[in-house]
Amino acid sequence: GIQVEQSPPDLILQEGANSTLRCNFSDSVNNLQWFHQNPWGQLINLFYIPSGTKQNGRLSATTVATERYSLLYISSSQTTDSGVYFCAVVDQGAQKLVFGQGTRLTINP
Amino acid sequence: SQTIHQWPATLVQPVGSPLSLECTVEGTSNPNLYWYRQAAGRGLQLLFYSVGIGQISSEVPQNLSASRPQDRQFILSSKKLLLSDSGFYLCAWTAKRGRFSDQPQHFGDGTRLSIL
Repeated sequence: GIQVEQSPPDLILQEGANSTLRCNFSDSVNNLQWFHQNPWGQLINLFYIPSGTKQNGRLSATTVATERYSLLYISSSQTTDSGVYFCAVVDQGAQKLVFGQGTRLTINP
Repeated sequence: SQTIHQWPATLVQPVGSPLSLECTVEGTSNPNLYWYRQAAGRGLQLLFYSVGIGQISSEVPQNLSASRPQDRQFILSSKKLLLSDSGFYLCAWTAKRGRFSDQPQHFGDGTRLSIL
């Protein structure tokens, strides 16, 4: 089945810094989602992005499907950005998402 | 708008006891429904998914089972819990419109299960 790898596994930054999270996938995908899991465990949809670039406030995402990767950018980080960021891709032919192992982001004040 | 509810939020159970976790979706009909488990704060593992009433696909062999008795209700069960069943259980849904890949997946708030 399709493999999803995220990097880095852990990232510790000071408040105000910028960060880039990467998601690589092993096969062609029809779509890709980025999620933020907050310290209480809630999974929040950030982006639904098959290709191209989307922006939502301080967050933006770019997916280059032909090169099998996606990037999540967080600018001017805040402590509330802390948590685990997951990317997930749709396995073609199967009605399910495949998740990466996540990037744990810690923003220190 | 659509909402998804999971309960209970937390649960502490002894080894060998039964389990029933419930998930319901409101504001949509005929959704695809999913149960995931997350251990140690990383990596979601798909346990079961359902495309309709009574239709359950199992992804990982284990002592858990799932049922979909109604269109918007998804239940995760076990007859005898093991220590290894501890974890964070998440229910999710997608709309069944067009291609599956065109639909974002939405998650409930999860159930934190501790086995003693």
